[in-house]
Amino acid sequence: DTEVTQTPKHLVMGMTNKKSLKCEQHMGHRAMYWYKQKAKKPPELMFVYSYEKLSINESVPSRFSPECPNSSLLNLHLHALQPEDSALYLCASSQAPPRGDSRGYTFGSGTRLTVV
Amino acid sequence: AQSVTQPDIHITVSEGASLELRCNYSYGATPYLFWYVQSPGQGLQLLLKYFSGDTLVQGIKGFEAEFKRSQSSFNLRKPSVHWSDAAEYFCAVGSYNTDKLIFGTGTRLQVFP
Repeated sequence: DTEVTQTPKHLVMGMTNKKSLKCEQHMGHRAMYWYKQKAKKPPELMFVYSYEKLSINESVPSRFSPECPNSSLLNLHLHALQPEDSALYLCASSQAPPRGDSRGYTFGSGTRLTVV
Repeated sequence: AQSVTQPDIHITVSEGASLELRCNYSYGATPYLFWYVQSPGQGLQLLLKYFSGDTLVQGIKGFEAEFKRSQSSFNLRKPSVHWSDAAEYFCAVGSYNTDKLIFGTGTRLQVFP
């Protein structure tokens, strides 16, 4: 299995809703990432988990809450989002531990989030 | 500061023509370099990567890239473009001592029949 699976593929939520994005990989990767991508822009790093511990938070607003229940799963909990948070949210995983040999990320196909 | 520059925002080529997408980087440490492709509404797919060794790297879908340290470049090439190559292409740089990849702004490739 060489894939990163993200669910749901599309999500529409109101500003008062609580929802979660899910990401799963079975490649034995020990680092997992959340990226946000606006239209016609490159991906922007949000969070990095290494060995199930949060290692990087790129000053992301607290309305985004990441969780890594085990080495294969990564969640992003959403609450009280704003319309400007509408974007493609990408999950990625990598083979190496942090500060090791970066072998390149494997990306999921993303969740298209629309906040109304 | 660390950065990646893709000078061409949009490139249009005819099917069957050759292609070169430019990437320049500024990075203090020894760089690891990547090219990703993204079709509309999709995630990013790794085309190829360079860590060390042979500076000409072969990737998937007939792509190759050449690392030129003296020019701080890692340009992507393909000898004959297919219509299915139309997509957004991102160059990215990382290193052994960081979790982050720094992405360029991307180049949109359009292919005419």
